[in-house]
Amino acid sequence: DGGITQSPKYLFRKEGQNVTLSCEQNLNHDAMYWYRQDPGQGLRLIYYSQIVNDFQKGDIAEGYSVSREKKESFPLTVTSAQKNPTAFYLCASSIRDRENQPQHFGDGTRLSIL
Amino acid sequence: GDSVTQMEGPVTLSEEAFLTINCTYTATGYPSLFWYVQYPGEGLQLLLKATKADDKGSNKGFEATYRKETTSFHLEKGSVQVSDSAVYFCALRASGGYQKVTFGTGTKLQVIP
Repeated sequence: DGGITQSPKYLFRKEGQNVTLSCEQNLNHDAMYWYRQDPGQGLRLIYYSQIVNDFQKGDIAEGYSVSREKKESFPLTVTSAQKNPTAFYLCASSIRDRENQPQHFGDGTRLSIL
Repeated sequence: GDSVTQMEGPVTLSEEAFLTINCTYTATGYPSLFWYVQYPGEGLQLLLKATKADDKGSNKGFEATYRKETTSFHLEKGSVQVSDSAVYFCALRASGGYQKVTFGTGTKLQVIP
């Protein structure tokens, strides 16, 4: 079955450490996204990518970085510059240029501070 | 910019009660509208969608109608079950640019036996 795989499910970060969250999809989607979810809030867009080797900042990109070297992979690095990284992170993908198509989501990674 | 407003939760209902979760939106152009459901510790799953005015999306007993005149997309179910307990998100996908998706803040539904 096609889908999105996020790993790890739980991740702990030490002070001053960078951590990388993995996101892999086998849906053959061009567009991929990273969202942050905090309790009682909706999803906030961190970064998105419409095509390989290209990505754009979302609404809350500070303290995060991404790469898109392969169509199926869109890893997110939470850098030490992100002072409040504790949250639930969701990766999504979709068909590009089709507004009537939904996003497909992975099961998320929960990041906590040690 | 685009926005989605959902009714505040949590919503607590008894099993077999009627459910309505209100959703209104503001957007330019002709967005597509979606309802997603999130179970604890999981990602979002598409529940239903509607892509033009007066379309009705439906799935698993849930329904929502795209009302352009009232800019609304309210979620309804005639008889809820305990297994429907989850957080429900209303979302729109814009018709221009990179088709940005805007989410509401989510409404938590708790169904008690």
